[in-house]
Amino acid sequence: DTAVSQTPKYLVTQMGNDKSIKCEQNLGHDTMYWYKQDSKKFLKIMFSYNNKELIINETVPNRFSPKSPDKAHLNLHINSLELGDSAVYFCASSQDGSPLHFGNGTRLTVT
Amino acid sequence: SQQGEEDPQALSIQEGENATMNCSYKTSINNLQWYRQNSGRGLVHLILIRSNEREKHSGRLRVTLDTSKKSSSLLITASRAADTASYFCATDKSGTYKYIFGTGTRLKVLA
Repeated sequence: DTAVSQTPKYLVTQMGNDKSIKCEQNLGHDTMYWYKQDSKKFLKIMFSYNNKELIINETVPNRFSPKSPDKAHLNLHINSLELGDSAVYFCASSQDGSPLHFGNGTRLTVT
Repeated sequence: SQQGEEDPQALSIQEGENATMNCSYKTSINNLQWYRQNSGRGLVHLILIRSNEREKHSGRLRVTLDTSKKSSSLLITASRAADTASYFCATDKSGTYKYIFGTGTRLKVLA
């Protein structure tokens, strides 16, 4: 059983399109995250939700909108995609400050 | 930027040798964690050390923490080819669930 699963694994799209990435965790964790890893492997936190409430919202363009329908799901919608959005996006979850459990990432390529 | 820094950026050693990676961070922390990332995969938690601890062991891993210098080191003893991966430190800023990752060390263990 995959603890944190993301779909799709790969996403290739053109500039200006809107796309979504989905994440689900079956660990019963209260907190979920989105991280962006660029081509140099730098990992930057984007958002975090705790029990469906947004608790961390870093300096991210408002073209990025997270949505948490319930505490097991955290989706990421991106409007008007730009070349610079190309990266690997990781979903993660944790419970009460415990270590993060990561999904295997979604590689987004914007052409 | 709150991003921590790790050094070296890349490390190449022979199987059986020890590998040491260092991490520096900028703010007060609750704990510091080390993660491994294999190519094309998500990050996997290795070990957590709390701010009131100085050293911790887990199998072939040894982690030290010096809060006065805001630095940590990860030692992998008797390295194996399977240890080839990128290693990241992450700090949990006091009072938040915000995990900030270092820049990572790419370790290559040659058989």
